[in-house]
Order: sequence, then C-alpha cells, then structure tokens
Amino acid sequence: AQSVTQLGSHVSVSEGALVLLRCNYSSSVPPYLFWYVQYPNQGLQLLLKYTSAATLVKGINGFEAEFKKSETSFHLTKPSAHMSDAAEYFCAVNPSGTYKYIFGTGTRLKVLA
Amino acid sequence: DADVTQTPRNRITKTGKRIMLECSQTKGHDRMYWYRQDPGLGLRLIYYSFDVKDINKGEISDGYSVSRQAQAKFSLSLESAIPNQTALYFCATSDEAGRGQETQYFGPGTRLLVL
Repeated sequence: AQSVTQLGSHVSVSEGALVLLRCNYSSSVPPYLFWYVQYPNQGLQLLLKYTSAATLVKGINGFEAEFKKSETSFHLTKPSAHMSDAAEYFCAVNPSGTYKYIFGTGTRLKVLA
Repeated sequence: DADVTQTPRNRITKTGKRIMLECSQTKGHDRMYWYRQDPGLGLRLIYYSFDVKDINKGEISDGYSVSRQAQAKFSLSLESAIPNQTALYFCATSDEAGRGQETQYFGPGTRLLVL
C-alpha cells in the first residue's frame, strides 16, 4: 500500500534557524505530493504541491520542498524560522491520481525565541 | 466569510447517541470529504463524494454514515456514538485541477467528545 512517513513528530528550532521537516513516500511511480500546515484551532491549508512540473517547489510563507525520486523524499525547508511558523505540518501523497489523499502523521514545529 | 464551514465546532455527547456533523461550502466544488484526526495518526478518510449522487467509503467508514443533501452540503452522522469516536473531524472540498493534483480546502474542524 502506498504510504507517507514523516520523521519526527516534534521538531524545535530557534527563531532565524533553518527549518527542515522530513517526508518520505512509498510509491512505485512518482505520485503527487503535498505539504499542508495546520495552525492552532484551524483547518489545514495548502503550503505547496509537487505535480511533476518542477522538482523544487516554492510555496507560501517562504517554504519550499524538493522532490527527490532517488531518495523517495519530499522534505520541507525554510531558511529562517519565524515565530509565526509554529504549527503542525502534514505531508500527503495522492498515489497516481486516485482522488484520495494519504496523510502522514504530522510534525509539530516549535519555534524558540 | 469562510469558504468551508462546519457546525457545530465543539460537541459533547454520550455513548449510544446519534449525532450529525454538518459541512457547507461556498467554493462551488463538486468533491467533498470527511476526515478524522487523532493525535499521532494524522488524518484518515471516512467518506468522500464526487457529486450529489456519488458517495464512497473511505478507509474508516464503519460506524459512520453520510448524506450529500446538495452540492454545497455534506453531513456526517454517527449512528450510535462510542468513546473511540472522540476525535477532531474535518470536512474538505477539492477543486478539479487534474486527476490527483487537486488542492483540498478544509473547514475549521469539529471537536467531538463521546463520554
């Protein structure tokens, strides 16, 4: 079965430091990949998505992710963390266009002053 | 106003009670979804609907039912609530950017506690 794995349920970074949130997928063919963010007491909103047009995908709020087929990874990065980035981040995969997402278990990002 | 709304936002109920969670959207999307979120488990799909006449079970549909009353409305029912249905429930819609590429738009969630 297709799946997505997020390494680290909690990540803490200092304000201004690099943010790296890891996501690996299992798929026999390159899937569509997504990162969503959930701020406290809110629903999820799309940060960015990979749809095969470009391997480096830029999203909102300065985030970007790189699709690496050889590593089956789609890690999320941001050069400089801001306090407002504190949230839970979900990686999701849509295996070969099934109209159904598979979500990872989420990574809660804490930004330290 | 929010594009995807859910009512109620919080609900406490007792074991065995029937409850309904409602979702409305103003985005004009045909596709709607119900998920539940549990700590450490991410989001899991309960039901999804591609239009008013097309409703499908997701990975964890047991104990739940849905009704698509109109393009804009998709309700989730717990016929006889049990404590392990305590969770955060999300409704979502999706556009039709292309098969598999759709962005999903989430409501704010309904926090349900079953005693």
